[in-house]
Amino acid sequence: RKEVEQDPGPFNVPEGATVAFNCTYSNSASQSFFWYRQDCRKEPKLLMSVYSSGNEDGRFTAQLNRASQYISLLIRDSKLSDSATYLCVVGGGTSYGKLTFGQGTILTVHP
Amino acid sequence: EAGVTQFPSHSVIEKGQTVTLRCDPISGHDNLYWYRRVMGKEIKFLLHFVKESKQDESGMPNNRFLAERTGGTYSTLKVQPAELEDSGVYFCASSAQGFWTEAFFGQGTRLTVV
Repeated sequence: RKEVEQDPGPFNVPEGATVAFNCTYSNSASQSFFWYRQDCRKEPKLLMSVYSSGNEDGRFTAQLNRASQYISLLIRDSKLSDSATYLCVVGGGTSYGKLTFGQGTILTVHP
Repeated sequence: EAGVTQFPSHSVIEKGQTVTLRCDPISGHDNLYWYRRVMGKEIKFLLHFVKESKQDESGMPNNRFLAERTGGTYSTLKVQPAELEDSGVYFCASSAQGFWTEAFFGQGTRLTVV
């Protein structure tokens, strides 16, 4: 079983749509949770950290459920520029600093 | 301010040869990480430096891989001898001192072993 599991998609949605991504992690000792965005042939970039209380950044909302070991990302009012791979990333456990990545979910937003 | 830079951006070598990848972290970042993405797989952790010390090298695949960070500034990752399965994209990341400070990634080195 992978440490971080994501639905690879692809998700193809029209502009303006709302899309949700989910992720589960297996290590209950994990301490930090993130969503990264990766454009084609580029480096991963931090989109947002994820907290148990939930957090929002503009059109993006992230949620963490520690009991279920489940992380989500909601994108509202999708833009063409949101097209990318979204990486669920978990940190901590036995090794501080180490990030464990999911395989990524591919999103394509079309006109 | 310059981000994390990696050299070279691409490298094609023959099986059995040696390749050295270089990473220059963001100035002042104590933490430096190496990750690798093999085609079709997720990005995987290789190792973590805190300044010049190896904090965690649990992800290094085998003893053909050697990472150094002399002086706590730039880092090198040498693969010797390279095998076909070493092909992939090698990312370096750095972060400031402290727990779970944001990790900034370089654009990666795409290594192809033929």
